[in-house]
Amino acid sequence: AQSVAQPEDQVNVAEGNPLTVKCTYSVSGNPYLFWYVQYPNRGLQFLLKYITGDNLVKGSYGFEAEFNKSQTSFHLKKPSALVSDSALYFCAVRPGYSSASKIIFGSGTRLSIRP
Amino acid sequence: GAGVSQTPSNKVTEKGKYVELRCDPISGHTALYWYRQSLGQGPEFLIYFQGTGAADDSGLPNDRFFAVRPEGSVSTLKIQRTERGDSAMYLCASSSTQGGDSTNTGELFFGEGSRLTVL
Repeated sequence: AQSVAQPEDQVNVAEGNPLTVKCTYSVSGNPYLFWYVQYPNRGLQFLLKYITGDNLVKGSYGFEAEFNKSQTSFHLKKPSALVSDSALYFCAVRPGYSSASKIIFGSGTRLSIRP
Repeated sequence: GAGVSQTPSNKVTEKGKYVELRCDPISGHTALYWYRQSLGQGPEFLIYFQGTGAADDSGLPNDRFFAVRPEGSVSTLKIQRTERGDSAMYLCASSSTQGGDSTNTGELFFGEGSRLTVL
């Protein structure tokens, strides 16, 4: 069975500092990994994905994520946080080989950027 | 519009009533997902369609929940004999394919959701 863990309910960072939001996963075979962001009273928006290739993937709004197969992790990062990055972030996973598999989401991490 | 459309955006009903929630996916998207999200929580998988058929309905909590997608486009989530615990945001998402081809990765496009409140 596939699963996603986001160990931190909340991450607090000062504006201009680097940020990391953690995600670990469990899935059979090679994973497809995703990050989504949810702003207040809005639907989930796609940020970035890892499918294959370079372990460091870049996405929207200056975010990037690093795939680490040995640690089964896919942490979200940004070199310099903005107040506007404050939102709820979700990591998600599905098996890469399957033509009929569901996408499972983590419980979410609330990112709060203070001015 | 070009995005995923969900109606109604808000639904208030009484305990024991029947409710239908509708999802109109992005045109041409073959895969359609339903999720349920409680406040401050992650989306909880309910059911996934590939075309007209339910490829995985393992997330439906009990037999009061049912979903259909008769023509492979619009989907309806049906909840019978609603209970207060059914109150949540119901999210629909679509994607172009769920194939193993690395060029089709199953990235989801979400609607704004239908907020269900059972009194």
